[in-house]
Amino acid sequence: EAQVTQNPRYLITVTGKKLTVTCSQNMNHEYMSWYRQDPGLGLRQIYYSMNVEVTDKGDVPEGYKVSRKEKRNFPLILESPSPNQTSLYFCASSFQIGGPYEQYFGPGTRLTVT
Amino acid sequence: DAKTTQPNSMESNEEEPVHLPCNHSTISGTDYIHWYRQLPSQGPEYVIHGLTSNVNNRMASLAIAEDRKSSTLILHRATLRDAAVYYCILGGSGNTPLVFGKGTRLSVIA
Repeated sequence: EAQVTQNPRYLITVTGKKLTVTCSQNMNHEYMSWYRQDPGLGLRQIYYSMNVEVTDKGDVPEGYKVSRKEKRNFPLILESPSPNQTSLYFCASSFQIGGPYEQYFGPGTRLTVT
Repeated sequence: DAKTTQPNSMESNEEEPVHLPCNHSTISGTDYIHWYRQLPSQGPEYVIHGLTSNVNNRMASLAIAEDRKSSTLILHRATLRDAAVYYCILGGSGNTPLVFGKGTRLSVIA
């Protein structure tokens, strides 16, 4: 089954404790992306990657890192989480960026930073 | 970036057709029109996309104006499961990610 998986689905952590949210897709997609969703602000893009070793900042990259060492994985790293990073996070992938290509989204990771 | 304008919310009765409008007056000739929806507590899911011609699939129909400055997502018979936020997005041919706006929150009344 074609899917995007994220782990963990729920995470409560404390300020400053480094964490990684994993994202994996099994569709051999070149394009992968991370979004955060906050009430009233819609979906905002954090980082995206057009292929292995190619990453770019989205609209809200501050406080986040990403890496794309393999095609299937695109982890989101919070080196020193802060309470304003409490949010719902979604990973997505598609065959290529933009154009006619459908994006597949993961189930989401709800992060709380205290 | 070409942007879209959608109503904040709409309401429909169950088993009635729903027409969700989207304006995109600055669309370029190579922009695809995408629709996604987000059910409560889930990630967005693809609904349909088109370029110039009207499109149908098992979920919905997409009607695109002749000048491409607007489009309408049509749900032929709304069910309670169709209650969601619907996003209209433009996907260009360049290396530009899809940009999600706030979408239209559709409520379906039994």
